Amino acid sequence: KQEVTQIPAALSVPEGENLVLNCSFTDSAIYNLQWFRQDPGKGLTSLLLIQSSQREQTSGRLNASLDKSSGRSTLYIAASQPGDSATYLCAVPFSYGGSQGNLIFGKGTKLSVKP
Amino acid sequence: KAGVTQTPRYLIKTRGQQVTLSCSPISGHRSVSWYQQTPGQGLQFLFEYFSETQRNKGNFPGRFSGRQFSNSRSEMNVSTLELGDSALYLCASSRGSSGTDTQYFGPGTRLTVL
Repeated sequence: KQEVTQIPAALSVPEGENLVLNCSFTDSAIYNLQWFRQDPGKGLTSLLLIQSSQREQTSGRLNASLDKSSGRSTLYIAASQPGDSATYLCAVPFSYGGSQGNLIFGKGTKLSVKP
Repeated sequence: KAGVTQTPRYLIKTRGQQVTLSCSPISGHRSVSWYQQTPGQGLQFLFEYFSETQRNKGNFPGRFSGRQFSNSRSEMNVSTLELGDSALYLCASSRGSSGTDTQYFGPGTRLTVL
């Protein structure tokens, strides 16, 4: 059974710091991995999707890496800003019979960037 | 391009009532998935519809049901509401399968059961 874990549950950093968020999954046979951002009381915003054949994806100040063999992904945020404060979630699809289904989410890391 | 929309945004119901939530996906998207989000359990999958057919269903009781229309709009229904059904209900759409394509989420419907 696939399980997704994100540690730490919360993180507070001063503005301008580079930071890394971690995501681990128990079944390495994933099709892809997605990172999302959620602001309080809002829906999720897709940040990056990494296919299983990729090692990393970049979007602006965000860089996500994927190591399937170790069951880990990291989201690197460069030069953090107060506007980056949000909960960050990672998710992998549920695999069944060679097909990919719904997303299985971690509990998220709540990031607070202090001015 | 308009994003995923959900109506209503907020709902207050009492135990025993039923509720219907609506989701309009991004134009051209054929897959709609529903998730329940609570502080304790996080995001849990309810069901996915693709071209009007239910593809997958999560581990929720039969009180939770859904459907998808020919225009890809989707509704979910919860009957005989319980206090524990209070949650943020999110729907997400994708062009193809929810597991292979980027998921785009709506703002959610906040359901409070009193």
